[in-house]
Amino acid sequence: AQKVTQAQTEISVVEKEDVTLDCVYETRDTTYYLFWYKQPPSGELVFLIRRNSFDEQNEISGRYSWNFQKSTSSFNFTITASQVVDSAVYFCALIKTSGSARQLTFGSGTQLTVLP
Amino acid sequence: EAQVTQNPRYLITVTGKKLTVTCSQNMNHEYMSWYRQDPGLGLRQIYYSMNVEVTDKGDVPEGYKVSRKEKRNFPLILESPSPNQTSLYFCASSLQGAGANVLTFGAGSRLTVL
Repeated sequence: AQKVTQAQTEISVVEKEDVTLDCVYETRDTTYYLFWYKQPPSGELVFLIRRNSFDEQNEISGRYSWNFQKSTSSFNFTITASQVVDSAVYFCALIKTSGSARQLTFGSGTQLTVLP
Repeated sequence: EAQVTQNPRYLITVTGKKLTVTCSQNMNHEYMSWYRQDPGLGLRQIYYSMNVEVTDKGDVPEGYKVSRKEKRNFPLILESPSPNQTSLYFCASSLQGAGANVLTFGAGSRLTVL
């Protein structure tokens, strides 16, 4: 069975601080994809990034960056110079791509609050 | 506009009264799935479908049924709802279920079972 753990239930930072959201996953499969989604207070789910298990390159998109390390089964998300609009729940998710099953497993989410 | 549409968005019902939450997508996506979101538990997959007439259980399928008779529709059926099915439900779809494709989510359906 696969599992995604987001140990940080809630994080609160002051605007302009950097913040890292942790994601640790478990899977027996060698081929899989990892995702991050954002859920702002309005409730919709917004895709942020996708990474396949063969691509360990870190990625940067504006103030967002992601650190994928297979050795530690982690896919952490960093927001640089946080803004109030970054306040949301962030979910990490895993889907395996071998075999026929396509279960998508989400972590329990991290509530990020950015204070002005 | 490409989207996933869920109905109803809000529903209050009573224990045992059968209900259906509809989900429709206009993107010709093959993969569709249902999730429930509960505080502290994140999103948990209920059922998914790789294509028409192909459905499979997710992590929490008990108490739910689904069908995929047409590519665009993937209704979630609660035959005899119970209070522990009070939750926020999301339907999602993607082009294929291989994992490479990003999910598009519906706006969510908040269900309360009294």
